[in-house]
Amino acid sequence: RKEVEQDPGPFNVPEGATVAFNCTYSNSASQSFFWYRQDCRKEPKLLMSVYSSGNEDGRFTAQLNRASQYISLLIRDSKLSDSATYLCVVQENNAGNMLTFGGGTRLMVKP
Amino acid sequence: ETGVTQSPTHLIKTRGQQVTLRCSSQSGHNTVSWYQQALGQGPQFIFQYYREEENGRGNFPPRFSGLQFPNYSSELNVNALELDDSALYLCASSLYPGGYTFGSGTRLTVV
Repeated sequence: RKEVEQDPGPFNVPEGATVAFNCTYSNSASQSFFWYRQDCRKEPKLLMSVYSSGNEDGRFTAQLNRASQYISLLIRDSKLSDSATYLCVVQENNAGNMLTFGGGTRLMVKP
Repeated sequence: ETGVTQSPTHLIKTRGQQVTLRCSSQSGHNTVSWYQQALGQGPQFIFQYYREEENGRGNFPPRFSGLQFPNYSSELNVNALELDDSALYLCASSLYPGGYTFGSGTRLTVV
């Protein structure tokens, strides 16, 4: 079983749609959680951190459920520029603080 | 403030050869980590260096080795290249234990 699992997609949605991505993680000791965005043939870039209380950044809302070991990302009013791969990432606060990435979910927003 | 710089951007090597990839950390960052991203997958943690010492390693064989220099730049060395080593190699730097900034990566093709 992978440590961080995501539906690979692709999710094909029209502009203006609301789309939700889900992610599960296996290590209950994970302490920090993030969503990264990766454009084709580019490096991953931090989209937002994820907190149990939920957090919102404009059209993006992230949520963490520690009991279920589940992370979500909601994108409202999708734009063409949102087309990318979204990576769910967990981090353990141990030696190394390494990031563990999911396989990514590809989003394609169409006109 | 400069970001994370990786060189070369692209590289083609023959199976069995050795390769060295380079990374210049973001100014002020003392930690560098390396990730391998195969096509269609999320990045996989290779190892991390903090103040010139390896302080975390993923599930990669010993032929993957690294160095961090006093100026916090880093090298990733891979010996006895295999076809499956073809991937995007990403370097990320941070001011431990803070967030990571990724370089744009080196795309390695092994033929």
